[in-house]
Amino acid sequence: EVQLVESGGGLVQPGRSLKLSCAASGFTFSNYYMAWVRQAPTKGLEWVASITNSGGSTYYRDSVKGRFTISRDNAKSTLYLQMDSLRSEDTATYYCTSPRPYVYYPYWGQGVMVTVSS
Amino acid sequence: AIVLNQSPSSIIASQGEKVTITCRASSSISSNYLHWYQQKPGAFPKLVIYSTSYRASGVPSRFSGSGSGTSYSFTISRVEAEDVATYYCQQGSSNPPTFGSGTKLEIK
Repeated sequence: EVQLVESGGGLVQPGRSLKLSCAASGFTFSNYYMAWVRQAPTKGLEWVASITNSGGSTYYRDSVKGRFTISRDNAKSTLYLQMDSLRSEDTATYYCTSPRPYVYYPYWGQGVMVTVSS
Repeated sequence: AIVLNQSPSSIIASQGEKVTITCRASSSISSNYLHWYQQKPGAFPKLVIYSTSYRASGVPSRFSGSGSGTSYSFTISRVEAEDVATYYCQQGSSNPPTFGSGTKLEIK
């Protein structure tokens, strides 16, 4: 059974940093792309970033480019999201996902809440 | 980025009723790359339909999808109480992947 378990969320002041982790199990982590999708309170879903299976290529939405860094440790089957220079508009539940061919997301973590507020 | 316009934004239906949600893309999408999710309150999204018309594992047959090009639809043939949720379309045809704004389904 595929499991994705996020951690590292919390309350942080604007301009500060936070690092999210996602521990994966139940599949061969190193074979698959991974991604982060977020959802602001009462809002819709928004793709944030993706990383190839080797970690050699990364992709970001424009609003987080230069501030967020997605990375992975295939030996630990763990995905990360380093979030720097956080803004109030980054407040959201962040989901770890594992895209499949044709870029759909059959597997999701339970989500981790990030609140950016002074 | 491809914008997905979902309609309606909300539906109130009776149990047993048929409901249809439409997703219109700002540019043509390969049908392989259009997908639908169900998100119940307080839960993570669940894949329901992938590649326009294929039901994900364990999804009841009352859920279906169709479409091509810029126009796609999602149908629940006979709504049940457990279908109360927000439904989202999503495209992976062009970067960045984008989601529709969601359709909230409630039961009368």
